Amino acid sequence: DVVMTQSPLSLPVTLGQPASISCRSSQSLAYSDGHTYLNWFHQRPGQSPRRLIYMVSNREYGVPDRFSGSGSGTEFTLKISRVEAEDVGVYYCMQGTNWPLTFGGGTKVEIK
Amino acid sequence: EVQLLESGGGLIQPGGSVRLSCAASGFTFSTYAMSWVRQAPGKGLEWVSVISGGGDSIYYGDSVKGRFTISRDNSKNTLYLQMNSLRAEDTAMYYCTKVGVIIIPASIQNWGQGTLVTVSS
Repeated sequence: DVVMTQSPLSLPVTLGQPASISCRSSQSLAYSDGHTYLNWFHQRPGQSPRRLIYMVSNREYGVPDRFSGSGSGTEFTLKISRVEAEDVGVYYCMQGTNWPLTFGGGTKVEIK
Repeated sequence: EVQLLESGGGLIQPGGSVRLSCAASGFTFSTYAMSWVRQAPGKGLEWVSVISGGGDSIYYGDSVKGRFTISRDNSKNTLYLQMNSLRAEDTAMYYCTKVGVIIIPASIQNWGQGTLVTVSS
């Protein structure tokens, strides 16, 4: 199975400041079609997860442009340019290149 | 608007069985693969099983293989998860998810609100 490793585990941030979350996979997530199937999800307290980013850097419809994804191969990053109060919760990366689908352990973002 | 509405969870005794259902709307159900993802209390996300749009391709996670069965009824726009020989470690919120037109590669596009399964005596 592909192991997804996120860091940090917890990320205290100041409102209006940037934040960055790292996700590393145990093998390349590049697929034979030329795309890389790395997704980012956000789960607010008490809610279901919601997809933010698909195929490394494509924002889901309605996701603010302060969220951006980047990376390739085995190293990926989710960045929030200016954190807002609604951004608190847990962020998960997930790979869809190989079955079984696997998730990172999550990064909890909280306001300082 | 895509809607996924799970039902069927509850308190189940160890060794018992339960069937979860997920009523889907807002998209052409038979076109899309569907899956179940679970989340133990206070823990992260674990993929459980996936089924193709036509129901001919099915995969399971190792932790549930041989105990859980995924199925779908495209005439009713409904996804199911039959869970047998339940263990305490199966206690989790179970989410119904819409995957994509193809199984591999995959991306989870939408999530339901979840149904809680608690396995305890």
